[in-house]
Amino acid sequence: DAGITQSPRHKVTETGTPVTLRCHQTENHRYMYWYRQDPGHGLRLIHYSYGVKDTDKGEVSDGYSVSRSKTEDFLLTLESATSSQTSVYFCAISEGRGSGNTIYFGEGSWLTVV
Amino acid sequence: GQNIDQPTEMTATEGAIVQINCTYQTSGFNGLFWYQQHAGEAPTFLSYNVLDGLEEKGRFSSFLSRSKGYSYLLLKELQMKDSASYLCAVGVNTGGFKTIFGAGTRLFVKA
Repeated sequence: DAGITQSPRHKVTETGTPVTLRCHQTENHRYMYWYRQDPGHGLRLIHYSYGVKDTDKGEVSDGYSVSRSKTEDFLLTLESATSSQTSVYFCAISEGRGSGNTIYFGEGSWLTVV
Repeated sequence: GQNIDQPTEMTATEGAIVQINCTYQTSGFNGLFWYQQHAGEAPTFLSYNVLDGLEEKGRFSSFLSRSKGYSYLLLKELQMKDSASYLCAVGVNTGGFKTIFGAGTRLFVKA
């Protein structure tokens, strides 16, 4: 299994509160990603990073910010959580480039915004 | 834009063969991936195709036609444990390497 850990694994929070999800990898992979998965939509890319302090937006980035201060850590922050952000969040890593772009996923973080 | 289509659900019988199709329209194509995802779990990598043709890996095979924007995943000798969602995904290089996923096909294997 790829060395990816997400925390917290489960969280219930109230609307309007900030939430930070953490992803930690031990593979020294260059690329890290945050996806959310919702019924009928599949996995949608929120943000990704191609190196320390190098990040870019995905297709559903509104309401989310990220930071990567170390190769091994990628943080996803919901500045002010809304009910539409209730979802399963997956962190993923890859080496990048061709077959090296194979993505390996963390176990997921289930977030409920009430 | 990027678009990936695959059937929502399929049902097949244990021991049979099933083919899951995927069509895509993307820019910066950099390979096609198939992932398997059991309910409540993370997706796991199954196969990668970047050249046209068939790649075989045990009971699973994956085919790619880049000119047609088409791929399929073939599962042989179906087992009950193959009941899962199968995600078609396209690697794209548009300034950075990203992987775009289809919505997935839920496969039900019945006895």
